[in-house]
Amino acid sequence: GAVVSQHPSWVICKSGTSVKIECRSLDFQATTMFWYRQFPKQSLMLMATSNEGSKATYEQGVEKDKFLINHASLTLSTLTVTSAHPEDSSFYICSARGRLAETQYFGPGTRLLVL
Amino acid sequence: AQTVTQSQPEMSVQEAETVTLSCTYDTSENNYYLFWYKQPPSRQMILVIRQEAYKQQNATENRFSVNFQKAAKSFSLKISDSQLGDTAMYFCAFMSASGGSYIPTFGRGTSLIVHP
Repeated sequence: GAVVSQHPSWVICKSGTSVKIECRSLDFQATTMFWYRQFPKQSLMLMATSNEGSKATYEQGVEKDKFLINHASLTLSTLTVTSAHPEDSSFYICSARGRLAETQYFGPGTRLLVL
Repeated sequence: AQTVTQSQPEMSVQEAETVTLSCTYDTSENNYYLFWYKQPPSRQMILVIRQEAYKQQNATENRFSVNFQKAAKSFSLKISDSQLGDTAMYFCAFMSASGGSYIPTFGRGTSLIVHP
């Protein structure tokens, strides 16, 4: 099956710093990538959708200047949490979809802790 | 907007027994996809099974099968011969095939515990 990787899997940072999370599709071309946030024991909350080569579409309530998304190639999307604060601590998950659009494949997630 | 309802926050089952997780959804569309995803303690989301709305036949993947009732907008997941490794959160998801966005809507999840 399709494999999506995420890096790093764990990150701890100081308040005010920026953190970049990478999402890669390893064996297929991801025309669309999604970024989710998940709080403990809750469902996935879609943050934004990105298509290769174009600007990301952010969900209502998600600050685009806070969560910068870049989908520069068909295999890589990045999420940068700028000026991170403790309330940004969460589990961030990316997913990718190829040209056969009906199935998303998920990365393993990144646990972010902002001190 | 579509909504997905998973009415069972928690379920438990004995190893080797069968359990059914419920999911209902609300949509006015006719062409869509339904999914069940599993999220074990590692938190990696894993696709369990997928159903196309235009197919009447229920999807099956080994011990996992669905009961897709399109008129009732119901999409339950049956796990047969439950194994300890089936312990996980299970999310039902709906995705419209119209409009080109193909963005899924997830339910709130059902936590399944398989007891030895």
